Amino acid sequence: QVELVESGGGLVKPGGSLRLSCAASGFTFSDYYMNWIRQAPGKGLEWVSYISGRDTTIYYADSVKGRFTISWDNAKNSLYLQMNSLRVEDTAVYYCARDGKWSGAFDIWGQGTMVTVSS
Amino acid sequence: DVVMTQSPLSLPVTLGQPASISCRSSQSLVHSDGNTYLNWFQQRPGQSPRRLIYKISNRDSGVPDRFSGSGSGTDFTLKISRVEAEDVGVYYCMQGTHWPRTFGQGTKVEIK
Repeated sequence: QVELVESGGGLVKPGGSLRLSCAASGFTFSDYYMNWIRQAPGKGLEWVSYISGRDTTIYYADSVKGRFTISWDNAKNSLYLQMNSLRVEDTAVYYCARDGKWSGAFDIWGQGTMVTVSS
Repeated sequence: DVVMTQSPLSLPVTLGQPASISCRSSQSLVHSDGNTYLNWFQQRPGQSPRRLIYKISNRDSGVPDRFSGSGSGTDFTLKISRVEAEDVGVYYCMQGTHWPRTFGQGTKVEIK
């Protein structure tokens, strides 16, 4: 069964760092493209970052560029998001989501992990 | 960035009646490969989003056939032929043709 499970969220002060993880099962990570998407409390969805499992093509939203780093570990079938210089406006549920091989963006989603940036 | 504009933002519907959500993009979503990467997502209360429709009109596995997608270019529609109680939630359109990927604001579907 295809599944994504996020972890690593929590409470952090402005300017702090956090590393999110997304463990994949039921498929070979390196065959797909993966994303991080976030949702601030009571708000809509915002795509954050993308990585290709094959050629490590990487994209970021302007709102996180230079502060967040996406990466993956093929051996662990896991995706990561290193978040530095966190701001109050980064407070959100962070989802990892897979791109389908032929169907395109976000065919499978994880359950999300909450990140709260507050002093 | 491509702006995705949904309407209405709130949609009260009667059980068993049809519902329709519009999504317009600020530029054409036709990709150079000929595909149009317009998807629809459903987010039930307290749950993660779930993809319903990809590339305008293709239903994902397990999605009831009362959901259908249509449109082209910059104008797209999600229709529910007969709304059921489990359809309550927020629906988002999303474009994957241009970077960055962008979502509409969401349409909240509720039962009257």
